[in-house]
Amino acid sequence: EAQVTQNPRYLITVTGKKLTVTCSQNMNHEYMSWYRQDPGLGLRQIYYSMNVEVTDKGDVPEGYKVSRKEKRNFPLILESPSPNQTSLYFCASSPISSGTYNEQFFGPGTRLTVL
Amino acid sequence: SQQGEEDPQALSIQEGENATMNCSYKTSINNLQWYRQNSGRGLVHLILIRSNEREKHSGRLRVTLDTSKKSSSLLITASRAADTASYFCATDGNTDKLIFGTGTRLQVFP
Repeated sequence: EAQVTQNPRYLITVTGKKLTVTCSQNMNHEYMSWYRQDPGLGLRQIYYSMNVEVTDKGDVPEGYKVSRKEKRNFPLILESPSPNQTSLYFCASSPISSGTYNEQFFGPGTRLTVL
Repeated sequence: SQQGEEDPQALSIQEGENATMNCSYKTSINNLQWYRQNSGRGLVHLILIRSNEREKHSGRLRVTLDTSKKSSSLLITASRAADTASYFCATDGNTDKLIFGTGTRLQVFP
């Protein structure tokens, strides 16, 4: 089944404790992206990747890191989480053709609480 | 920011009625997409309309695009309780980024 998976789905942690949220897709998509969703603010892009070893900042990259060593995986790293990073996080992937976006496939989301 | 803006923010209708939501954006685009999100779940792609298209249909969905006004509308005909969800537009704005709006919350009452 074609899908985007994220782990963990729920996470409660404390300020300053490094964490990684994994994202994996099995559709051989070039493009992958991380978003955070907060009430009243919609989805905001954190980082995105157009292909292996190519990553770029989105609109809200502060406090986050990513890597794209393999095409299928795009982990999101919070080196020192803070309470303002409490949010619902989504990973998404998409094929890219002719330099334009196609349908994005979203993971189920990771609800993160930082105390 | 080239963020899309959906209007209205919230919409409540009865089953069987039509629901119309609008999206406005700021810059030129290659395409515009509409997504649906059930509460707390991942977004699901509904339809993509390219900048050279004016109207597109998919089942009970009808999307229009007016590039001169930088706006799009999503019409859901004969709505059902199962259509209750948030709906987002997303635009690429001729950049590497796909920008989502803040969404319209649709409530369909049985």
